[in-house]
Amino acid sequence: DIQMTQSPSSLSASVGDRVTITCRASQSISRYLNWYQQKPGKAPKLLIYAASTFQSGVPSRFSGSGSGTDFTLTISSLQPEDFATYYCQQSYSTPLTFGGGTKVEIK
Amino acid sequence: EVQLVESGGDLIQPGGSLRLSCAASGFTVSTNYMSWVRQAPGKGLEWVSLIYTDGNTFYADSVKGRFTISRDNSNNILYLHMNSLRAGDTAVYYCARVGRFGGTAEAFDIWGQGTMVTVSS
Repeated sequence: DIQMTQSPSSLSASVGDRVTITCRASQSISRYLNWYQQKPGKAPKLLIYAASTFQSGVPSRFSGSGSGTDFTLTISSLQPEDFATYYCQQSYSTPLTFGGGTKVEIK
Repeated sequence: EVQLVESGGDLIQPGGSLRLSCAASGFTVSTNYMSWVRQAPGKGLEWVSLIYTDGNTFYADSVKGRFTISRDNSNNILYLHMNSLRAGDTAVYYCARVGRFGGTAEAFDIWGQGTMVTVSS
C-alpha cells in the first residue's frame, strides 16, 4: 500500500499569509496526486487533480506542484474562507490512500 | 444539477448489517467509476470501496469480505452493503464520483453530504 504523509498536521496563519502544505508518498506516484479542502461538517471538495491542475471554480491563489514522491499545495494569500482542513490523496493504485490532513487555523 | 444524496445511516449493534444508498442526479452512475469514502469522528478520510464501469470492485483491507459495493442502473443508485459491523466502522460515509480527467488522472470530483453509521451496543 502507498502511504501518504502530510506535514504539518496543523498550522496557524493570518489572512494574507502564504501557506505551504507538503505531501510525501511512500513510493513514486508520478503526478497522480489530488488535493481536497474540507470544512467542518461538510463533505470534502476537490481543489487540484493531477498534482497541479485546478478543478473548475477554484481560486487561482491555490496552486499545486510536484511529481514522483514529493508534492506541495500552496495558498498564495490566505483568505478567511480558506481556514479548513486539507487532504492529499493518491490515485496511482488501489488501495486509494489519503494523507492525514493539515488543519489551517486562524492565528 | 449534478448531485449525490446518501441515506441509510443508523445506530447498529456490533455484528449487525446495514445498507447505505447513494442516489445520483445529473449524471449516470453506471457510466462512471464510483466510490465510498468514510471519516471516523474527528479523524481523517479513509477510502472504502470502488466500482468500475465494467463492474470490477475494489475494497480496503479493513472492510474486505464484510462490505459489498453495488449499483442499481435502472434507478441510478449506488449501494454499500455492510455486514459484521464493528465499532471501528463508526464513521460518516460519503459516496463520491470518480472524475476522469484527460483519460488518465482520476479524482473524487462530486461528493454526497454523508450519512452517519454508529456501531455500538
